[in-house]
Amino acid sequence: QKEVEQDPGPLSVPEGAIVSLNCTYSNSAFQYFMWYRQYSRKGPELLMYTYSSGNKEDGRFTAQVDKSSKYISLFIRDSQPSDSATYLCAMSRPGTYKYIFGTGTRLKVLA
Amino acid sequence: KAGVTQTPRYLIKTRGQQVTLSCSPISGHRSVSWYQQTPGQGLQFLFEYFSETQRNKGNFPGRFSGRQFSNSRSEMNVSTLELGDSALYLCASSTQGGALETQYFGPGTRLLVL
Repeated sequence: QKEVEQDPGPLSVPEGAIVSLNCTYSNSAFQYFMWYRQYSRKGPELLMYTYSSGNKEDGRFTAQVDKSSKYISLFIRDSQPSDSATYLCAMSRPGTYKYIFGTGTRLKVLA
Repeated sequence: KAGVTQTPRYLIKTRGQQVTLSCSPISGHRSVSWYQQTPGQGLQFLFEYFSETQRNKGNFPGRFSGRQFSNSRSEMNVSTLELGDSALYLCASSTQGGALETQYFGPGTRLLVL
């Protein structure tokens, strides 16, 4: 079983929809949670990070962490065609220098 | 500031050959991490270097090795290439490499092994 599980999609939604992307994890030692966005032929770029349970909002993006369920989510409001990309969750634990990534969910927002 | 640069961007090799990939981190960043990205496995951690020392290593065979120079530039070497090594190899840099630090990724080197 992988430490981090993420549905690969693809996920197609109409423009303006609310998108929900999710990851589950098995290692309760993970304390830091991140979401990256990767456009085709580019490296991943950090969207959001959080290290506590609850919600964190940044513009149209909201990251949610539920440590008791070992479940994290990224919500995108008013999705735009420019949001079409692969979204990767990543996690790490204190004292390490490595991130564990999910396989990524491919999102397509249709105009 | 210039971003993370990786060279070459594309490579084609045959089985049994070896390859060296290069990564130049953002100026001032001392931590460099390497990842392998494939459609089936996603991003998998290879190793992380800080001040020329490898601090952490992923679960890859010894054919995968790396090093870091005093100017923080890093190289990754894969010997005796196998078909399964075809992937996008990404490097990421950060200031100190701590768990909460933002990692900045380069565009990657796409390796195809024939």
